[in-house]
Amino acid sequence: LAKTTQPISMDSYEGQEVNITCSHNNIATNDYITWYQQFPSQGPRFIIQGYKTKVTNEVASLFIPADRKSSTLSLPRVSLSDTAVYYCLVGYGQNFVFGPGTRLSVLP
Amino acid sequence: NAGVTQTPKFQVLKTGQSMTLQCAQDMNHEYMSWYRQDPGMGLRLIHYSVGAGITDQGEVPNGYNVSRSTTEDFPLRLLSAAPSQTSVYFCASRRTGGNTEAFFGQGTRLTVV
Repeated sequence: LAKTTQPISMDSYEGQEVNITCSHNNIATNDYITWYQQFPSQGPRFIIQGYKTKVTNEVASLFIPADRKSSTLSLPRVSLSDTAVYYCLVGYGQNFVFGPGTRLSVLP
Repeated sequence: NAGVTQTPKFQVLKTGQSMTLQCAQDMNHEYMSWYRQDPGMGLRLIHYSVGAGITDQGEVPNGYNVSRSTTEDFPLRLLSAAPSQTSVYFCASRRTGGNTEAFFGQGTRLTVV
């Protein structure tokens, strides 16, 4: 399973774009990159998943460079309700490893 | 659809007691798993199942048992509770095949005194 590294915490202000970068130097050919969001006292929730280049949905964008050794989750115009922990997971199949994640605090 | 339902939401046990955490899903997902989350930490995989009658160990299986008699249910048993098992427990389910989205329950907060 590929090891991931992401910042422990980040602060932002409402209305700003937030980019969270995840490093995964030993990503395997078959591995996908998946991001989950977790609010306090709740289970994680799927945000977005990608293999290469760029993926966009109604919540976020995921940028993956050609070498796939890192990825960036982009949250456009964050609000206070985006305060949560964001996990970057790399793998293929059923078992993924959750690291400590990035604790995002959105300030008014 | 209810998704993934965990019961109870909160539980206090004395050291040495046993109990079962319940997990049920109504999405007909083949894959189910149990995680524990300690304060400030990510989730660690305890046990998982790829279908009825099939279970396997995850990263931290000691002190826990599971069984999967139906597709819908995946209970987690604590055989003899220890303070080190104080944690929040999450159950998840997903379809098998590829990298499907996992759906998590709301968690069970367990305290062992």
